[in-house]
Amino acid sequence: EAGVVQSPRYKIIEKKQPVAFWCNPISGHNTLYWYRQNLGQGPELLIRYENEEAVDDSQLPKDRFSAERLKGVDSTLKIQPAELGDSAVYLCASSLGLAGTYEQYFGPGTRLTVT
Amino acid sequence: AQKVTQAQTEISVVEKEDVTLDCVYETRDTTYYLFWYKQPPSGELVFLIRRNSFDEQNEISGRYSWNFQKSTSSFNFTITASQVVDSAVYFCALFSLNRDDKIIFGKGTRLHILP
Repeated sequence: EAGVVQSPRYKIIEKKQPVAFWCNPISGHNTLYWYRQNLGQGPELLIRYENEEAVDDSQLPKDRFSAERLKGVDSTLKIQPAELGDSAVYLCASSLGLAGTYEQYFGPGTRLTVT
Repeated sequence: AQKVTQAQTEISVVEKEDVTLDCVYETRDTTYYLFWYKQPPSGELVFLIRRNSFDEQNEISGRYSWNFQKSTSSFNFTITASQVVDSAVYFCALFSLNRDDKIIFGKGTRLHILP
C-alpha cells in the first residue's frame, strides 16, 4: 500500500513569492492534516480536513495561508506571499478517523526555504 | 493547558547500550492518548506506539519498551541494546478526547547511537 505522498520534497523561494505544496493521502483515509515543523521543534497542526470540510483551521495564518481539499482526496497548501519565518518543513498526514483512535500516517514533508 | 515536555534535547550513547527517553505530559482530561513517533533523517514520522489513559500496563515490543505512570504524568521510552539504526529524533505526543482533534507534540529528543 502506498504511503502519504508529498511534493515537492524541497522548495527554495524568495520572500514575497507564492508557493504551493501538494499531498496525496493514503487511499480511504478521510482525515487529512497539514502540520508545520520548525527546526528543532515538534510538528504543529495547521489545518485538519474531514473529507472536503476543514474542521479545524484555527492555527492557519489566514492572511497568507490557504488550503483546499477538493473531492476529499488530494490537498494543496498555499502560501502567498511567503515570509522568511515560513521556512520550515510542511508535513501532511492522513488517518481513517480521529487521531486518538486511529494511527496517523505521515508523508516525508516538504522542506521550504524562504530567502 | 495541554503540554508535552521532553527535557532531553539530545542524547548520545554507544551502540548496545540501553537508553531511556523521557516524556512528561500535562492535561486536565481524564481520557487521553499518548504516542511516540520516530523521525529518521528521511523526515517521515513513524508511529511507534499509542497508549490510552486507562491502560497503565507497560509494553514491550522487541528492543523497545514503554513505561506509563499516571502518578507522575510520564510516558518514558526505553531502547534496549541500541543500534545505529535507532539514531533519529523521537517525539512524544498527547491527544485528549475532549479537546479538538489535535495532537500536541513535544519538541523531540535527538538520539545518536555511536558505533
